Amino acid sequence: GAGVSQSPSNKVTEKGKDVELRCDPISGHTALYWYRQRLGQGLEFLIYFQGNSAPDKSGLPSDRFSAERTGESVSTLTIQRTQQEDSAVYLCASSFNRGRTEAFFGQGTRLTVV
Amino acid sequence: AQSVTQPDIHITVSEGASLELRCNYSYGATPYLFWYVQSPGQGLQLLLKYFSGDTLVQGIKGFEAEFKRSQSSFNLRKPSVHWSDAAEYFCAVAASGGSYIPTFGRGTSLIVHP
Repeated sequence: GAGVSQSPSNKVTEKGKDVELRCDPISGHTALYWYRQRLGQGLEFLIYFQGNSAPDKSGLPSDRFSAERTGESVSTLTIQRTQQEDSAVYLCASSFNRGRTEAFFGQGTRLTVV
Repeated sequence: AQSVTQPDIHITVSEGASLELRCNYSYGATPYLFWYVQSPGQGLQLLLKYFSGDTLVQGIKGFEAEFKRSQSSFNLRKPSVHWSDAAEYFCAVAASGGSYIPTFGRGTSLIVHP
């Protein structure tokens, strides 16, 4: 596609439920990143994919968070047993490769846990 | 580890006035540097980037930034601010020591008075 696409754009879920957030990167982009942005805060790194592997998942806050990427394309971020502190905007970005290239961001998924 | 500091949480300027947003980074070698803008409810849009070469870089929407190695800074400037520039601005750094994963500052919120 023309840009990074994320779905859903908004998600309201009950505490304790699982959620899946989807990211479609720009075609041909091998690097993919997930970030979390809490209200009024900066971007918190969660996980980085190069191709289908995740060489850096150091930002995942707990074992309730997991992510995968298939076909060097779509990525899914899964949050199990959601908590209220998980409420945030989850941003996905992709880049042609890592290094001398910029990251392009999707519009984000706003997750609200009630 | 690489880090980015944006010392100003909020900046208020009058429309037509000049603007400078500060960004300092912490990394031994010269990293790749970026400025992004985020309008309410939107993802991040790249304003400009620095990889190497000329230390004064031009971006979109009339913005420019200057890389100063001696000060570890990459400040964003605009000679005349428009009301539509009101947004959140993020400085980011990517470097080999951090696997080129973009690390973001906390952001600076720009308020424009008519």
